[in-house]
Amino acid sequence: DAKTTQPPSMDCAEGRAANLPCNHSTISGNEYVYWYRQIHSQGPQYIIHGLKNNETNEMASLIITEDRKSSTLILPHATLRDTAVYYCIVRASNTGTASKLTFGTGTRLQVTL
Amino acid sequence: DTAVSQTPKYLVTQMGNDKSIKCEQNLGHDTMYWYKQDSKKFLKIMFSYNNKELIINETVPNRFSPKSPDKAHLNLHINSLELGDSAVYFCASSRASYGGGGFRGNTIYFGEGSWLTVV
Repeated sequence: DAKTTQPPSMDCAEGRAANLPCNHSTISGNEYVYWYRQIHSQGPQYIIHGLKNNETNEMASLIITEDRKSSTLILPHATLRDTAVYYCIVRASNTGTASKLTFGTGTRLQVTL
Repeated sequence: DTAVSQTPKYLVTQMGNDKSIKCEQNLGHDTMYWYKQDSKKFLKIMFSYNNKELIINETVPNRFSPKSPDKAHLNLHINSLELGDSAVYFCASSRASYGGGGFRGNTIYFGEGSWLTVV
């Protein structure tokens, strides 16, 4: 699986959009970009994933650059409950092999009043 | 009705003991996992089972033995516990990770974790 690079920490004011960047310059054509988050003392929570196109769900939006070398997770209106560590993960889609998530160190997002 | 549930949530035990952590998922998934998160917060996969068959076995001491009685359960048994085994253990599940037609973009869902402290 390709390696990802994320800033170690970010701050965001409550009510503002939180834009979390991720670099995955060695991503290959069959690899998806996944985002998970881990709120303190809880299990990792799935947020969103995508391959090429931008994606949106009830939690967030995922913007993937055309060359797929980077992506941005957008929380449109951050709340205090969004304070967590956010993991950007590139996941292989190999047929016939086990699929797993390889977590990096993530970005610690602190949402403040 | 928690999708992936683990028991116990907290476990404090002495060195040398044998303990088990149980995991059950009610999502109808075929694949289950155990992850370990150490004191530095690194989250690493340990094992994965697909339909009761072991498919991922990372470099884990053989004191750790996963057991899958059926595809909805994956238990983790740890023999001769050591101080370094203290960590949070997360169970997870997903639809089958491979199969005809290729990758299906399967999301992995995690339990709330089991906090193991060895003293």
